[in-house]
Amino acid sequence: GEDVEQSLFLSVREGDSSVINCTYTDSSSTYLYWYKQEPGAGLQLLTYIFSNMDMKQDQRLTVLLNKKDKHLSLRIADTQTGDSAIYFCAESRGGKLIFGQGTELSVKP
Amino acid sequence: GAVVSQHPSWVICKSGTSVKIECRSLDFQATTMFWYRQFPKQSLMLMATSNEGSKATYEQGVEKDKFLINHASLTLSTLTVTSAHPEDSSFYICSASPRDKSLYEQYFGPGTRLTVT
Repeated sequence: GEDVEQSLFLSVREGDSSVINCTYTDSSSTYLYWYKQEPGAGLQLLTYIFSNMDMKQDQRLTVLLNKKDKHLSLRIADTQTGDSAIYFCAESRGGKLIFGQGTELSVKP
Repeated sequence: GAVVSQHPSWVICKSGTSVKIECRSLDFQATTMFWYRQFPKQSLMLMATSNEGSKATYEQGVEKDKFLINHASLTLSTLTVTSAHPEDSSFYICSASPRDKSLYEQYFGPGTRLTVT
């Protein structure tokens, strides 16, 4: 299909790791992105990965890319209540960003 | 760096009136700006791509006469919702791509909540 797909909800306990998954569609996408959106706000770029990489780590965030399966994941270590938000993955396609429907992460104390 | 602002942050207007939303890149020049629409609990849908000094490119299904986009300078793009109706109520988000960067490097504004009564 043409859609970028994500699971809609994830609930974790504070201090646990969170893993948010995404399946994209265009194998020629050069960059893949993770954005965070807090309620009533715009999007904040968290991290991105170039398509020739398998993994990228940035502090508590780890991005894994499986090009063969067109699967992208975002792992947040030591998840905090402040991490509660909606997380969007996006692929670059034809000069545009194509977004998934977002995963709502709920972090319980 | 790479800050994008939107004004207003929220607006309520009556059905049939027009509303203008501004998107500004505050500390960089943006050759290209993008306008998105987001419904509650849903993803961002690209409405149009605007390039400074030229006409905007609209996505399929977006009425260009209803959503007027002007990108008159390298730091400002405006979206005017003309003859607004309740179904136009939504969260509108812009993004800007620095002129010396890839189109995929986009910085997002905080969004504008439009409510049409």
